[in-house]
Amino acid sequence: AQSVSQHNHHVILSEAASLELGCNYSYGGTVNLFWYVQYPGQHLQLLLKYFSGDPLVKGIKGFEAEFIKSKFSFNLRKPSVQWSDTAEYFCAVILAAGNKLTFGGGTRVLVKP
Amino acid sequence: KAGVTQTPRYLIKTRGQQVTLSCSPISGHRSVSWYQQTPGQGLQFLFEYFSETQRNKGNFPGRFSGRQFSNSRSEMNVSTLELGDSALYLCASSPGTSSTGYEQYFGPGTRLTVT
Repeated sequence: AQSVSQHNHHVILSEAASLELGCNYSYGGTVNLFWYVQYPGQHLQLLLKYFSGDPLVKGIKGFEAEFIKSKFSFNLRKPSVQWSDTAEYFCAVILAAGNKLTFGGGTRVLVKP
Repeated sequence: KAGVTQTPRYLIKTRGQQVTLSCSPISGHRSVSWYQQTPGQGLQFLFEYFSETQRNKGNFPGRFSGRQFSNSRSEMNVSTLELGDSALYLCASSPGTSSTGYEQYFGPGTRLTVT
C-alpha cells in the first residue's frame, strides 16, 4: 500500500523567509500528487497538483512544488512567506480514480510577523 | 460553481446512537469520497462512490457505511457510535475520471462529538 511521509511536523518561520516542506511517497508506479492547505478554521484547499509533464508545478498563492521521480519526492516551496501562510499543509498521493487519496501526517507552519 | 456542502456542520451524539451525515458535491462531479480527520490519526480514507457504486473502501469497521444517490449526493452513516468516532468527517468531490482529473475538492466537514 502506498504511504506518504512528511518529515517536518512543525515549522516556525519569520515573514519573508523561504519555506520548503518535504514530502516522500512509497509507491513506484504512476502517481498523481497534491498539496493541500488547511488554514485555521477553514476547510482543506487544493494548493497545487502534479499529474504529468513539467515536474515543476506552480500553484496558488505563490507556492510551487517539484516532482523528483527518482527520489519519490514532491517538495513544496515558497520563496517568501507571509503571516497569512500560517496553516497546516498536507501532501497527498492518489494512484488512480477511485483509489483513496493517501495523506501525509501534515506539517503545521507558523509564520511570525 | 458552488463548492462542496456538508450538513450538519456540528453534531453531538451519545454512545450507541447512530448518525447520518450528508454531502452535496460540486455540480457535475460524479465521485464523492469520505475521510475522517482526527488529531491522532490524521486524515484517513473511509470510502469512495462513483455513479452510485462504491469503488473503494478504507480500513474502517462495518459500522461505517455510505451510499450515493442518482444526483451524486452522498450520505455516510455510523451506527453504534463509540467515543473514538469523535472526529471531523470530510467529504470530497471529484470529476472522478482520468480525462477530467483526479483532484478532490473538500467540503467544510461535519464535526461529530460522541459523549
